[in-house]
Amino acid sequence: SYELTQPPSVSVSPGQTARITCSGDALPKHSAYWYQQKPGQAPVVLIYKVTERPSGIPERFSGSSSGTTVTLTISGVQAEDEADYYCQSGDINGNYVFGPGTKVTVL
Amino acid sequence: EVQLVESGGGLVQPGRSLRLSCEASGFTFDAYAMHWVRQVPGKGLEWVSGISWNSGSVGYADSVKDRFTISRDNAKNSLYLQMNSLRIEDMAFYYCAKDIVHGYGGRIGYFDLWGRGTLVTVSS
Repeated sequence: SYELTQPPSVSVSPGQTARITCSGDALPKHSAYWYQQKPGQAPVVLIYKVTERPSGIPERFSGSSSGTTVTLTISGVQAEDEADYYCQSGDINGNYVFGPGTKVTVL
Repeated sequence: EVQLVESGGGLVQPGRSLRLSCEASGFTFDAYAMHWVRQVPGKGLEWVSGISWNSGSVGYADSVKDRFTISRDNAKNSLYLQMNSLRIEDMAFYYCAKDIVHGYGGRIGYFDLWGRGTLVTVSS
């Protein structure tokens, strides 16, 4: 079955930049989305259509794409950004798929 | 209030069945595709199943195909998941999620509204 690949963890100091990658062969075909999930809460979408940010999402969250990899960048990381981050896209059959998730730790 | 409320979770023995429900309110339910997403506590998100606005198109993760059936009743603003032949590995929180697109199987959308989840425990 189709899989998206993410690093299991990323550690970053406050004020620094965190980058989380998500790789998958079908990413050039389908849009990619990024979610943030904090303990005990439902996921919240941060980025849609690779680079777009919903209203209310801070500007420090941004998305980019290159080939079969999409990247979520958190600029000027804050303590409140400590959470799990998931990418989501689709396989060649149009079924949805999540990446395994990346735990961001703010040092 | 715009919300999704899941129900129907509980303790079930392996091999038995369970039906989950999700009641939607505060938005035009029949305009959007809907999905079920599950999460084992402490683990990652797993997409389970999706259904188009008019039930004309559905999809399932390989892990649940031929065991789970998704359906919806637009007149009742409700989404369902019939889970048969349950396995221990099906134990998880099950979330109902609203898509931003109305169809399923074409353009990949994303989930802009989630329920609080209902816990399914599979144990003998």
